Amino acid sequence: DGGITQSPKYLFRKEGQNVTLSCEQNLNHDAMYWYRQDPGQGLRLIYYSQIVNDFQKGDIAEGYSVSREKKESFPLTVTSAQKNPTAFYLCASSIEASGVTSSYNEQFFGPGTRLTVL
Amino acid sequence: KNEVEQSPQNLTAQEGEFITINCSYSVGISALHWLQQHPGGGIVSLFMLSSGKKKHGRLIATINIQEKHSSLHITASHPRDSAVYICAVRLQETSGSRLTFGEGTQLTVNP
Repeated sequence: DGGITQSPKYLFRKEGQNVTLSCEQNLNHDAMYWYRQDPGQGLRLIYYSQIVNDFQKGDIAEGYSVSREKKESFPLTVTSAQKNPTAFYLCASSIEASGVTSSYNEQFFGPGTRLTVL
Repeated sequence: KNEVEQSPQNLTAQEGEFITINCSYSVGISALHWLQQHPGGGIVSLFMLSSGKKKHGRLIATINIQEKHSSLHITASHPRDSAVYICAVRLQETSGSRLTFGEGTQLTVNP
């Protein structure tokens, strides 16, 4: 089955530790995204990548890092510099390649990872 | 002020009621999405609109580009419709499919 997988579903980390969240897709999508969701707030974009080996900061990139070495994978590292990392993290992907705007493009979302800092 | 505003924030209905969730945006867009998020957290895309109206089962989505407003309607609501409904827009000045999200509407349908 095609889709997006995120692991783990729940993650606990001690304050001061880095942690990496996995996102894999087998939809052959060019673009991938990381969002953060906090209670009572809309999804906020952390980083996005429109093509392999390239990525851009979103609205709240501070304290996070990403890599895009393979088309299928877009891991997110939450570093110790992130002041308030406890949140729900969602990964998404879409067909669209860089510089192309299509009215019919759609983002597909993974099941999410809930990160709690102890 | 958020670029995307949803109302109401919370909505409780009885099974069978007709439900309307509203979304207003303040900037030019190329497309608007309605998404559904269930308690487990996973998000499903319901509709993508650039004009007019779309229908899928008991769900209807409309958009008025001139008024910068969209509505999501649920007919004959059912407890399984209980979820958070999220409006998201693709801004005209952005390339690719980067989205800006509303805060969501928590819908609870009681039996």
